[in-house]
Amino acid sequence: DTAVSQTPKYLVTQMGNDKSIKCEQNLGHDTMYWYKQDSKKFLKIMFSYNNKELIINETVPNRFSPKSPDKAHLNLHINSLELGDSAVYFCASSQDLDYAYEQYFGPGTRLTVT
Amino acid sequence: DAKTTQPPSMDCAEGRAANLPCNHSTISGNEYVYWYRQIHSQGPQYIIHGLKNNETNEMASLIITEDRKSSTLILPHATLRDTAVYYCIVTSGSARQLTFGSGTQLTVLP
Repeated sequence: DTAVSQTPKYLVTQMGNDKSIKCEQNLGHDTMYWYKQDSKKFLKIMFSYNNKELIINETVPNRFSPKSPDKAHLNLHINSLELGDSAVYFCASSQDLDYAYEQYFGPGTRLTVT
Repeated sequence: DAKTTQPPSMDCAEGRAANLPCNHSTISGNEYVYWYRQIHSQGPQYIIHGLKNNETNEMASLIITEDRKSSTLILPHATLRDTAVYYCIVTSGSARQLTFGSGTQLTVLP
């Protein structure tokens, strides 16, 4: 059983399009995160949700909007895609905020904007 | 969060111990040392963490110096599957996020 899953694994799209990446965790965790890893391999947090409530919203363009329909899901919607959005996006979860140091990551979604 | 310094890359022979250093000279009293690794094309994986005592689990050992200004992650018998980027992160136990640096690329050689 995959603990944290993401779909799709690869996403190729053109500038200006709107796309979504889905994330699901079956660990029963309360807290979920989205990270972006750029071409230089730096991994940076974008958002975190705890019990469906937004906790962290780093300096991310408002074209990026996370949505948490329930505790097990945290989806990432991206509007008006730009070339600079090309990256690998990782979803993660932790038991709760007190266990933010122990996060379980998904396999990543490689987004390529052409 | 305290700044950490890690060597950009290291090699290790298969079957030997891999010792990965991390310098965190500005660490404060309530900050922990966490280690993650990222195998190529996978998400990061939690390894171990500690405050001041040495820690060991099924994956690795963490040795923290008495002054807490540096630490070493030890993989006792490295295998080819341990080839990965290893991240040392220092942050308070109440932190609500992790900040990843550039890490150390460990290559285990056959």
